[in-house]
Amino acid sequence: QSALTQPASVSGSPGQSITISCTGTISDVGGYRYVSWYQQHPGKAPKLMIYEVSNRPSGVSNRFSGSKSGNTASLTISGLQAEDEADYYCSSYTRSITVIFGGGTKLTVL
Amino acid sequence: QVQLQESGPGLVKPSETLSLTCAVSGYSISSGYYWGWIRQPPGKGLEWIGYIDHSGTTYYNPSLKSRVTISVDTSKNQFSLKLSSVTAADTAVYYCARVGSISWFDPWGQGTLVTVSS
Repeated sequence: QSALTQPASVSGSPGQSITISCTGTISDVGGYRYVSWYQQHPGKAPKLMIYEVSNRPSGVSNRFSGSKSGNTASLTISGLQAEDEADYYCSSYTRSITVIFGGGTKLTVL
Repeated sequence: QVQLQESGPGLVKPSETLSLTCAVSGYSISSGYYWGWIRQPPGKGLEWIGYIDHSGTTYYNPSLKSRVTISVDTSKNQFSLKLSSVTAADTAVYYCARVGSISWFDPWGQGTLVTVSS
């Protein structure tokens, strides 16, 4: 199974909005509403930010939102803050009853 | 709240078996959910290894399936990972996590670095 495709890096200034894409196939992202997003700061464990395409766990800021269109899912972060600088990973359930991750996107807050 | 903690040797020799345990507190494994393992080689991305439910039903990453065994011990409220015939490519931080809707991982353990080297 191939990894989901994410941009290697994105950047934005404080207060701006950015969007990270996650592209798969009909066998994963496009076929199910089981896409999730994780934030990982250096040396820390990943943290769930979005699950099942657009749901936010309790305690996650409403500046984070998720969506999906066809085989591509997206994570949008509005009102960028310095603390948002981190690596972001998407993942999806697949038709083979497995889970695949994206390659990760490094977000830089300028 | 639910907490997970990985434990096991930090150094494993090539061709041997990597063994890790994840202790769960604040939630009974027998109550539900799947429980999974994910790894991250140094400087690289996340890779799903597999997951198990309280009854022992397992699903594995096809690329690792021939070498992986995940088991559960409900009496100790923990689950374990065994990865056989390891090579340097298996050097990674190994995380355990609770699995929701057999797709998302939350919460995660802090992770444990396992180095494969002679």
